[in-house]
Amino acid sequence: DVKVTQSSRYLVKRTGEKVFLECVQDMDHENMFWYRQDPGLGLRLIYFSYDVKMKEKGDIPEGYSVSREKKERFSLILESASTNQTSMYLCASSLGGRATDTQYFGPGTRLTVL
Amino acid sequence: QKEVEQNSGPLSVPEGAIASLNCTYSDRGSQSFFWYRQYSGKSPELIMSIYSNGDKEDGRFTAQLNKASQYVSLLIRDSQPSDSATYLCAVVPTGFQKLVFGTGTRLLVSP
Repeated sequence: DVKVTQSSRYLVKRTGEKVFLECVQDMDHENMFWYRQDPGLGLRLIYFSYDVKMKEKGDIPEGYSVSREKKERFSLILESASTNQTSMYLCASSLGGRATDTQYFGPGTRLTVL
Repeated sequence: QKEVEQNSGPLSVPEGAIASLNCTYSDRGSQSFFWYRQYSGKSPELIMSIYSNGDKEDGRFTAQLNKASQYVSLLIRDSQPSDSATYLCAVVPTGFQKLVFGTGTRLLVSP
């Protein structure tokens, strides 16, 4: 079974803090994704990566950055957290280079920024 | 116009009935379509993928695709209370290597 894990299920941070969200997959997948999910807005793609040290902006990259130093790990960084970044963050991975590959999601991190 | 549209629901059906979930998309050139299920407090999981016009069946689930009308639907036969969840439609737009998700339809199956 594919396993995608995220470092925290719940996180509370203060405005202005630097926040790191970690995602690890154990199936040697090429692709990794970060989404946020908000009521009424659905899942929105923040960043994705098709290879180590490679990153592509998604639909809402502003205020975020990412790092992929190892194939199995994809980190989402909030350089200076703001209250409008309070959300559920979901990491996903997929096997190869095609968007049609099944994406497997981690359990999510519910981030609250006070 | 949103790229992928779904009625937010809730769609309420009695146990044993057929639940019909619909999704429309704006990019006529889209080729790949997916249905994910998300239980409350959990992450999405893939139920079905469909790439060609027509029906695709998997157990109690049938995905239907009509590219001319730009809609994709999911039928759940013999609905069970355990099917109560939010169902997300996702589409791969032309020339993109990413999924675009709808906001989901909440399904409630009453015993």
